[in-house]
Amino acid sequence: AQSVTQLDSQVPVFEEAPVELRCNYSSSVSVYLFWYVQYPNQGLQLLLKYLSGSTLVKGINGFEAEFNKSQTSFHLRKPSVHISDTAEYFCAVILGNYGQNFVFGPGTRLSVLP
Amino acid sequence: DTGVSQNPRHKITKRGQNVTFRCDPISEHNRLYWYRQTLGQGPEFLTYFQNEAQLEKSRLLSDRFSAERPKGSFSTLEIQRTEQGDSAMYLCASSLDGSGNTIYFGEGSWLTVV
Repeated sequence: AQSVTQLDSQVPVFEEAPVELRCNYSSSVSVYLFWYVQYPNQGLQLLLKYLSGSTLVKGINGFEAEFNKSQTSFHLRKPSVHISDTAEYFCAVILGNYGQNFVFGPGTRLSVLP
Repeated sequence: DTGVSQNPRHKITKRGQNVTFRCDPISEHNRLYWYRQTLGQGPEFLTYFQNEAQLEKSRLLSDRFSAERPKGSFSTLEIQRTEQGDSAMYLCASSLDGSGNTIYFGEGSWLTVV
């Protein structure tokens, strides 16, 4: 079985400050990892994904994430946040072979304060 | 716009009534997924189609729930004899075949059972 943990349910941060949203997963097989963002009353939008290759992945809106296999982590970072980044962020994992569905973490609510 | 389309976006129904949601995936995508999301939680997998075949169902999908994708294009999710616990957002998503492919979400259909 696999699960996704997002330790921080809420992260308040001031505008233009850096932010890190943490994600850890548990899986005994190789995984594909994703970060999605959800704005209020909307569906989920892909920020970035890790399939293989370079462990540092760059996504949209200035976000990046680093895959760390030894720590089973895939933390999301942004060096300088904007008010418009206020949203819910979900980490997700899918099995590496023939996996058919994503397992989502519980989400982290990022609130960017002026 | 050729994204995933869901309707209705909002549905309020009385307990015991039946409701049906429709999903139109991205046209060339042969995989289609249904997820349920409650407030403060990440999306939970319900079921998955490969073309018209329903290949996987979560135990969350009780016998009051049924999903179809008769021609391998649009899909419907029907909930019979709705209960207040069914109140949630129902998300549809689609993807191309193959592991690791991004799944693209629709805007979701909000269900409120009163």
